[in-house]
Amino acid sequence: GESVGLHLPTLSVQEGDNSIINCAYSNSASDYFIWYKQESGKGPQFIIDIRSNMDKRQGQRVTVLLNKTVKHLSLQIAATQPGDSAVYFCAENLENAGNMLTFGGGTRLMVKP
Amino acid sequence: DVKVTQSSRYLVKRTGEKVFLECVQDMDHENMFWYRQDPGLGLRLIYFSYDVKMKEKGDIPEGYSVSREKKERFSLILESASTNQTSMYLCASGLVALPETQYFGPGTRLLVL
Repeated sequence: GESVGLHLPTLSVQEGDNSIINCAYSNSASDYFIWYKQESGKGPQFIIDIRSNMDKRQGQRVTVLLNKTVKHLSLQIAATQPGDSAVYFCAENLENAGNMLTFGGGTRLMVKP
Repeated sequence: DVKVTQSSRYLVKRTGEKVFLECVQDMDHENMFWYRQDPGLGLRLIYFSYDVKMKEKGDIPEGYSVSREKKERFSLILESASTNQTSMYLCASGLVALPETQYFGPGTRLLVL
């Protein structure tokens, strides 16, 4: 079936570098995407979202890019800090799925000092 | 800030026991959700509720039931716990007006022996 997935299960970056976490989705009917951050021992926390009528959205140190042509979503974190170490999930909402989200498997980001 | 709390952080139960997981939110959200989280599988939706006494099955409802008697409280019930229900259980809540944005609790780690 159609699903949301991630290319890399683990990403290790040096403190201060930029991080890019990728997500592939296969359902072209998805119209809303969210990135969540989950720190150890905590529930997922909303980071940033983007609708399918946008290509890019920026937050504080984070940018989400959406490429609908290849069904690809990415989260960019600028000047990665130790506090960014966590598991990052992408999630999609289908236009006809009401309140339900479909989550990817997650990518673990490890920041080296 | 939205606060979603779960009754237990850790639970150990025996096979065949009835298990109750409680979730409470303090933001008057209409929607509430129960997920389970397993390594490599991400978050999978068990049940959700969009109003008091209303419930909808998610992707993996088998072996679970739910109860929503009050707007702020959503309970997940394992009628007869089995070892394959050992997992992290996450509750979330959200607004109908923003159905895609969900706020998560800290999770309950359940071990079934």
